Amino acid sequence: DAKTTQPNSMESNEEEPVHLPCNHSTISGTDYIHWYRQLPSQGPEYVIHGLTSNVNNRMASLAIAEDRKSSTLILHRATLRDAAVYYCTGTLNFGNEKLTFGTGTRLTIIP
Amino acid sequence: NAGVMQNPRHLVRRRGQEARLRCSPMKGHSHVYWYRQLPEEGLKFMVYLQKENIIDESGMPKERFSAEFPKEGPSILRIQQVVRGDSAAYFCASSPRGSRNEQYFGPGTRLTVT
Repeated sequence: DAKTTQPNSMESNEEEPVHLPCNHSTISGTDYIHWYRQLPSQGPEYVIHGLTSNVNNRMASLAIAEDRKSSTLILHRATLRDAAVYYCTGTLNFGNEKLTFGTGTRLTIIP
Repeated sequence: NAGVMQNPRHLVRRRGQEARLRCSPMKGHSHVYWYRQLPEEGLKFMVYLQKENIIDESGMPKERFSAEFPKEGPSILRIQQVVRGDSAAYFCASSPRGSRNEQYFGPGTRLTVT
């Protein structure tokens, strides 16, 4: 399984962009990169995933390094509702379906 | 389309009792995963099931824990003879297919062992 490294915590001002980094240097060629977030007292929520190309959806953008050893989750305009723990997951290996969560980054949004 | 449902949301058991946690996946999803989150820790994978089959149980403790996903009905995570260390939030997730698709998580069952 791919091991991931993320900063323990980050702060951002409301309505500003947020860049959440993740290192996954042991990723294999077939692994997708997934991001989930967990709001207080809730189950994790899927944010975005990608393989090689940058990805965009209504929640966020995912920028994947060319060597795929790191990625950055981009929240374009943070709101108070984005305060959560963000997990860059050890991705789903082919034939191995489990998600491997690290300790994640606790994002605090400052009003 | 209802999301993943888990019940009960909160469960209190005394040491030595049994705990049964239920998970109903999203409609059309045939893959179920169970994760455990200890206080102030990240989520740890426990088991992955498809209908009537256990695919990966590498994260399950060897004793007292079992899981099933019958042909009909919800998936059940069963903990026998609970101990205080079993106190945690247990999350179930489901997906429509196995590999490389997002998992949809339920709200969790918070188990407290007294």
